Amino acid sequence: EAQVTQNPRYLITVTGKKLTVTCSQNMNHEYMSWYRQDPGLGLRQIYYSMNVEVTDKGDVPEGYKVSRKEKRNFPLILESPSPNQTSLYFCASSPRLAGGPHNEQFFGPGTRLTVL
Amino acid sequence: QQPVQSPQAVILREGEDAVINCSSSKALYSVHWYRQKHGEAPVFLMILLKGGEQKGHEKISASFNEKKQQSSLYLTASQLSYSGTYFCGTDSPQGAQKLVFGQGTRLTINP
Repeated sequence: EAQVTQNPRYLITVTGKKLTVTCSQNMNHEYMSWYRQDPGLGLRQIYYSMNVEVTDKGDVPEGYKVSRKEKRNFPLILESPSPNQTSLYFCASSPRLAGGPHNEQFFGPGTRLTVL
Repeated sequence: QQPVQSPQAVILREGEDAVINCSSSKALYSVHWYRQKHGEAPVFLMILLKGGEQKGHEKISASFNEKKQQSSLYLTASQLSYSGTYFCGTDSPQGAQKLVFGQGTRLTINP
């Protein structure tokens, strides 16, 4: 089944404790992206990646890191989480090629993160 | 800069029609529409790539007015299954290849 998976689905942590949220897709998509969703603010892009080893900042990248060592995986890293990073996080992928138009994005199930 | 959606929320009875608008301050390449049901991930509805283009999905259609930098989503004869939050995403020449989503419109359909 074609899908985007995220782990963990729920996470409660404390301020300053490094964490990683994994994202994996099995559709051989070039483009992957991370969003955070907060009430009243919609989906805001954190980082995106056009291909392996190619990543770029979205609109709210502060406090986050990403890596794209393999095509299928795009982990989101919070080196020192803070309470303002409490949010619902979505990973997405699409078959979009560099320089090409945006295509349909396939979203993972989401990770609800609480930072105390 | 996020596109602006209006209204922020709408409540309908089953069978009624609704229009959701999405406006951008920037020129647009394309407009994307997604629906998110409560507790689930957003799901793709449609992409509009050209000015004046209209597309349809079930009884949901959309238009894209490139000149006005806006798009509208039309839901006709709404069904209970249409309930959810609708997001538009915009892609602009100045957007550095980013797809920027609006804040969402919550649609509630009552029987």
